[in-house]
Amino acid sequence: GAGVSQSPSNKVTEKGKDVELRCDPISGHTALYWYRQSLGQGLEFLIYFQGNSAPDKSGLPSDRFSAERTGGSVSTLTIQRTQQEDSAVYLCASSLAGTLSPQAKNIQYFGAGTRLSVL
Amino acid sequence: KQEVTQIPAALSVPEGENLVLNCSFTDSAIYNLQWFRQDPGKGLTSLLLIQSSQREQTSGRLNASLDKSSGRSTLYIAASQPGDSATYLCAVGSFNDMRFGAGTRLTVKP
Repeated sequence: GAGVSQSPSNKVTEKGKDVELRCDPISGHTALYWYRQSLGQGLEFLIYFQGNSAPDKSGLPSDRFSAERTGGSVSTLTIQRTQQEDSAVYLCASSLAGTLSPQAKNIQYFGAGTRLSVL
Repeated sequence: KQEVTQIPAALSVPEGENLVLNCSFTDSAIYNLQWFRQDPGKGLTSLLLIQSSQREQTSGRLNASLDKSSGRSTLYIAASQPGDSATYLCAVGSFNDMRFGAGTRLTVKP
């Protein structure tokens, strides 16, 4: 596709259930990022994938959060045993290369996000 | 831990004015700094990216500057238009991390 695609666009779940959020980056982009934006707060960095390297998971807020990137393309963010404080918009971004690369290659392109509501 | 602060939190100006948005960060060991625009209900749009070795970048009516030593960046918008109304986010990139400020909500009145 032309841009970063995220699904679902909206997700309502009950407290304690697991949810999976999907991100399809722009074809050919090696770097993929997950962020969270809670109501009234700034963007919070969660995790970054660069090629086949092991991701830095230090931004994940708890061990209930995990993310995978299969085949260097599609990524899934999984939240287990959801809590009400997990309610937020989850944004995914991709860039042609990673943060150490020359200028134009690490401009991030964002998806429209997944709005998660935990009741 | 890097902390990014944006001032002001909100700004309202009449159309045609030049304006400056400010971003400060606590750790000068950065790789780059990006300015984004966020429109309601839409994803983020990258406006300008400044590498740590650069002092400024320009795109149309936008100019962003970076002073690493003082931990500051500014986004200058010339001849503002109502279509510029949005939230502007500053993001500071390090090796494998990116930290965002809370944003400045800009309203340009016709």
